[in-house]
Amino acid sequence: ETGVTQSPTHLIKTRGQQVTLRCSSQSGHNTVSWYQQALGQGPQFIFQYYREEENGRGNFPPRFSGLQFPNYSSELNVNALELDDSALYLCASSSDISRDTEAFFGQGTRLTVV
Amino acid sequence: GENVEQHPSTLSVQEGDSAVIKCTYSDSASNYFPWYKQELGKGPQLIIDIRSNVGEKKDQRIAVTLNKTAKHFSLHITETQPEDSAVYFCAAGYSGSARQLTFGSGTQLTVLP
Repeated sequence: ETGVTQSPTHLIKTRGQQVTLRCSSQSGHNTVSWYQQALGQGPQFIFQYYREEENGRGNFPPRFSGLQFPNYSSELNVNALELDDSALYLCASSSDISRDTEAFFGQGTRLTVV
Repeated sequence: GENVEQHPSTLSVQEGDSAVIKCTYSDSASNYFPWYKQELGKGPQLIIDIRSNVGEKKDQRIAVTLNKTAKHFSLHITETQPEDSAVYFCAAGYSGSARQLTFGSGTQLTVLP
């Protein structure tokens, strides 16, 4: 177990709706990254939060947004859901942006858009 | 941006044999190369990593090699066991980015008893 927890584990939404996914980082970790993993593919970097500020973003549209809270937990929000947003959403936490530390992943949230 | 290619996409080996998975990367600035194992219904689990100042690293039955000049790195699993069956991902990143990783497309490893 990595100590990174995500909720919910599964979610079904309708096209056009909005969704919020949550991640609690491992104790002592101040950096959270979000990844999208389509079926049969490797995870793709969405964005990263460090001490409540966005620090780096992958090739995802603005309807993907996030937050990090003072306790370093994080949310991923997706607006105007599309069918292609169906995927496993993973968060990963690490301890410090300037040090060589490992990233530990949660179990993911399986989002299905119908 | 970084691009990571991974081969093969599927690999079947007999229990006790060795398995090798290879990856190439495009960005010479990348200096951190982790390998993850993902079992069905779970998130990726870090199994070993290597930094660009090291050419090889071992941890029991698992080893990783890195060739910076050729921009490729490989995962070697010896004495494979059925519980090694999973999807394996290589990734590349660089220091200071706190693990903004670019992943390969994965290798489904099946260890046959």
